[in-house]
Amino acid sequence: GAVVSQHPSRVICKSGTSVKIECRSLDFQATTMFWYRQFPKQSLMLMATSNEGSKATYEQGVEKDKFLINHASLTLSTLTVTSAHPEDSSFYICSAREVVNTEAFFGQGTRLTVV
Amino acid sequence: ELKVEQNPLFLSMQEGKNYTIYCNYSTTSDRLYWYRQDPGKSLESLFVLLSNGAVKQEGRLMASLDTKARLSTLHITAAVHDLSATYFCAVGPLRGGADGLTFGKGTHLIIQP
Repeated sequence: GAVVSQHPSRVICKSGTSVKIECRSLDFQATTMFWYRQFPKQSLMLMATSNEGSKATYEQGVEKDKFLINHASLTLSTLTVTSAHPEDSSFYICSAREVVNTEAFFGQGTRLTVV
Repeated sequence: ELKVEQNPLFLSMQEGKNYTIYCNYSTTSDRLYWYRQDPGKSLESLFVLLSNGAVKQEGRLMASLDTKARLSTLHITAAVHDLSATYFCAVGPLRGGADGLTFGKGTHLIIQP
């Protein structure tokens, strides 16, 4: 399958600071990227969908001003958690898809801990 | 709203035994996925099921899809310890709805020697 790389794999930040997570498609051009969040021992929840060059579409209950998503190129999307709080601590996973009706491939995930 | 229900949520079994994980979903969707997740890791794609009656097998795992019943199963044959993990089914995208995947709660599988 195609390769999606996420960076960093782990990050610890202080409350009130911002942290940026990168999601890159390494061997294909991703017209669509998805961001999911997974709390410990829970399932994955879709946060937002981003299409290259367009504003992201956020799922209900996800604050777009807190979770800034940028999909400026066909190989890179970023998620910035602004003014992080301990309750934002979670496992964030991106996936990327080349075209509609094809499988999206998942990155390795980023473990965010806010202290 | 699409709902995806998996059961059981927790399963402890002995090596050599067979078992089935069930995944029910509430709305017509284009495709169904099965993933494996090891602790602290991301998702590993196991199967993509696209049509009614689809059956796919890889090693000791076999997945099937019944779109009329909105049911998929993941069958484990002669389980081995290495298959211990959490297994998720996911459905999507929805026609006219969310483009991403909706996941079940996952089945935490422990296979004891």
